[in-house]
Amino acid sequence: GAVVSQHPSRVICKSGTSVKIECRSLDFQATTMFWYRQFPKKSLMLMATSNEGSKATYEQGVEKDKFLINHASLTLSTLTVTSAHPEDSSFYICSARGGPYTEAFFGQGTRLTVV
Amino acid sequence: AQKVTQAQTEISVVEKEDVTLDCVYETRDTTYYLFWYKQPPSGELVFLIRRNSFDEQNEISGRYSWNFQKSTSSFNFTITASQVVDSAVYFCALSEARTGTASKLTFGTGTRLQVTL
Repeated sequence: GAVVSQHPSRVICKSGTSVKIECRSLDFQATTMFWYRQFPKKSLMLMATSNEGSKATYEQGVEKDKFLINHASLTLSTLTVTSAHPEDSSFYICSARGGPYTEAFFGQGTRLTVV
Repeated sequence: AQKVTQAQTEISVVEKEDVTLDCVYETRDTTYYLFWYKQPPSGELVFLIRRNSFDEQNEISGRYSWNFQKSTSSFNFTITASQVVDSAVYFCALSEARTGTASKLTFGTGTRLQVTL
């Protein structure tokens, strides 16, 4: 199946710094990528949808200035957590779809810990 | 609005038992997709199945089978002869089937399956 690579898998950062998470589709062109956040033992909550070459669409309650999403190419999307705080600590997962009638493939996830 | 309900929070079975994970969904769309994903302790989501709303045939893949019943808006997942390696959190998800753009997935809250020896 298609492979989506997410990097880094784990990151620890100091409060106030920014962290960038990359999501790459390795063997297909991802017209759309999604960023989810998962709290411990909870479901996945969609943060934003990004289409290549256009601005991301954020879900209600997600601060777009805090969670910057860039989808500059058909194989790469990045999520930058700006001025991270301990409450931003979470598991972030990206997914990519090649088109509307295809399954969404997920990256391995990034566990962010802000200290 | 779309909604996916997985009423079973946690299930514990002994190896070789069969287990069914329930999924009930709500959508106003006439065309949609249903998915099941497995999330092992490592965290990544493993795709298991995608089912088109027009295809109500049940599907079997090895020890896995899925029962899609549109009349009751359910898409249940059965693992036959469960194994310890099946221990994971299983998510049911729903997406619209719009043309032009890939639609987001709406996830259920997940069912944690624990298979013991």
